Amino acid sequence: EVQLLESGGGLVQPGGSLRLSCVASGFPPNHAVSWVRQAPGKGLEWVSVIVSDDDTYYAHSVKGRFTISWDNAKSTLYLQMNSLRDEDTAMYYCAKGGGAYTPFDHWGQGTLVTVSS
Amino acid sequence: DIQMTQFPSTLSASVGDRVTITCRASESFNNRLAWYQQKPGKAPILLIYKASTLQSGVPSRFSGSGSGTEFTLTITSLQPDDFATYYCQQYDGYSLTFGGGTKVEIK
Repeated sequence: EVQLLESGGGLVQPGGSLRLSCVASGFPPNHAVSWVRQAPGKGLEWVSVIVSDDDTYYAHSVKGRFTISWDNAKSTLYLQMNSLRDEDTAMYYCAKGGGAYTPFDHWGQGTLVTVSS
Repeated sequence: DIQMTQFPSTLSASVGDRVTITCRASESFNNRLAWYQQKPGKAPILLIYKASTLQSGVPSRFSGSGSGTEFTLTITSLQPDDFATYYCQQYDGYSLTFGGGTKVEIK
């Protein structure tokens, strides 16, 4: 059974940093995994995908500020978020898929990031 | 990037109704189109992928069709559990985009 469990969300000031984690289980470690976010009352926005250690992709809105990574030993996905802005406030979901032309077939329960002074 | 326009944004329907939601892309792509259902406070659930393939465990009253730039999600005989928000998403490459969502409400 595929399971994805996010953590690391919280309140951070504009310009600050935060690192999200997602512990994954139930699928091969070489499978693509993504971050998708949803601002309060808004729609879904894809943020980033990691296909392999040196094969990562980002939405224009976060490129240069966010970094996605994967720790094979811990089966954990990370999202390092720097230079945070008010508009980054959202529920952040970890989702299996997004690479090699695959949909998001499993999702975590999400972790809430609030950027506010 | 491929932009996805979904309509209507809100739809009022009754139990037993047939419901159709449309998703239009800004350019043609190879049917790598998915539909998701999301209920308040919950993560989305994959319903359909490759435009028309039903995800395992999804009721057969859900179906998808379309190609090129226009895709539809149809729910035949709407059930109480189907009142939710639905999103389309293209995954043709590595700049993935969602439609704005369609909220299906009780009439």
